[in-house]
Amino acid sequence: GENVEQHPSTLSVQEGDSAVIKCTYSDSASNYFPWYKQELGKRPQLIIDIRSNVGEKKDQRIAVTLNKTAKHFSLHITETQPEDSAVYFCAAKQAGTALIFGKGTTLSVSS
Amino acid sequence: DTGVSQNPRHKITKRGQNVTFRCDPISEHNRLYWYRQTLGQGPEFLTYFQNEAQLEKSRLLSDRFSAERPKGSFSTLEIQRTEQGDSAMYLCASSEDVTNEKLFFGSGTQLSVL
Repeated sequence: GENVEQHPSTLSVQEGDSAVIKCTYSDSASNYFPWYKQELGKRPQLIIDIRSNVGEKKDQRIAVTLNKTAKHFSLHITETQPEDSAVYFCAAKQAGTALIFGKGTTLSVSS
Repeated sequence: DTGVSQNPRHKITKRGQNVTFRCDPISEHNRLYWYRQTLGQGPEFLTYFQNEAQLEKSRLLSDRFSAERPKGSFSTLEIQRTEQGDSAMYLCASSEDVTNEKLFFGSGTQLSVL
């Protein structure tokens, strides 16, 4: 089955800096790669996703890149703000299977 | 409220007791998922349904866990003979169908086994 590894486990940046979180997956058949943000005590919420037929996707300050050959994908947050502080999870799946999550990255943005 | 709804929000039980949780997905969503999350970890997949059919169960899922979705709408997750290691947040999520796989999570049921 699919296995998703996520790095780093914690990340501290200054407000305005960029943050990058990286994930690798094991199943080459996986074709859907979402990212979720979970604030303390709240439910995970989808922030951006990408499919395997696309190499990059951007939504305002957030972007995701995918390298199918290397089986890794990354989340990029530019101009970080204190409200970006949260736990971020990457995930992967193929059609007909369930989403498998990484262990999460705790992002702290200090002002 | 048109989001995913879970009840109860919190459950405290004694070891050995049975517990049941309920999940009401977004109404037009065919797929329903159960995940478990412990502190500092990502959601761990338990099982999922397409309408009323249970399509996949995690190999790690104990026989003490059972889930149903009898009419393809709400779902229940039952844990029999609870153990302290079952203490976790149990998250339900739903998605529209195989062509739209965006998962929407409920707020979860926090289980504490004493």
